[in-house]
Amino acid sequence: TQLLEQSPQFLSIQEGENLTVYCNSSSVFSSLQWYRQEPGEGPVLLVTVVTGGEVKKLKRLTFQFGDARKDSSLHITAAQPGDTGLYLCAGAAIQGAQKLVFGQGTRLTINP
Amino acid sequence: KAGVTQTPRYLIKTRGQQVTLSCSPISGHRSVSWYQQTPGQGLQFLFEYFSETQRNKGNFPGRFSGRQFSNSRSEMNVSTLELGDSALYLCASSWVITGQRIESNYGYTFGSGTRLTVV
Repeated sequence: TQLLEQSPQFLSIQEGENLTVYCNSSSVFSSLQWYRQEPGEGPVLLVTVVTGGEVKKLKRLTFQFGDARKDSSLHITAAQPGDTGLYLCAGAAIQGAQKLVFGQGTRLTINP
Repeated sequence: KAGVTQTPRYLIKTRGQQVTLSCSPISGHRSVSWYQQTPGQGLQFLFEYFSETQRNKGNFPGRFSGRQFSNSRSEMNVSTLELGDSALYLCASSWVITGQRIESNYGYTFGSGTRLTVV
C-alpha cells in the first residue's frame, strides 16, 4: 500500500514569513501533485511535478520533486493571509490503478 | 467553461437508508473518479469510471457502488448507510489521452463535493 506522509499537519505563521511543507513516501510515484482546498470546496490543482529533481514555481510558491520521485516539498515565500488553506499532496502510481494517493494535508494559517 | 458539478451539496440521511450522489464532469472529460474525505482518514479513493466502465476500485465495502452514463455523468450509491459514512464525497474528472499510460499525471478537476451526514 502506497502512503504519503505530509508534515507539518498544522502551521500557523505571521504574514511575511517563509514556510515549507513536506510530503514523503517510501514508494516511487509517477508524479506528485499539490492541491489547495478551501472550506466547503473541493481541492484545486496547483501543480504537477513529473520528473525527478524537477522544480516548478508559481509566483511565491516553489514546488520540488525529489530525485528518487519519493518525496516533494512546497515552499512559500513571504506568506500572505490569502495563502491560508488546506494544502494536499497527492501521488500518482507508477503502474496499475489510475488514482491518486493523498497525504493527510497541511492546514496553513497566515496571520495578518 | 463549466467546472465539475456535484449534486446535491448537502444531504442528511438516517442509518439504514440509501443515497445516490450525482456528478457531471467537465465537458470532454471522460474519466470520473470518486473520493471520500473525512477528518480522520483524509481523502480516500472510492472508484474510477471511464467510458461507462469501472476501471479501478478502492478498498471500500460493496455498499459503495457507482456507474457512469454515456454522456460521462456519474452517480455513486451508498446502501444501508452507517454513521461512519458521514463525509464529504468528492468527484473529480480528468482528460484521458488515448494511449497515455499514466493518465493521472495530468491532474484532476474536483467538484465542490456533497456533504453527507448520517444520523
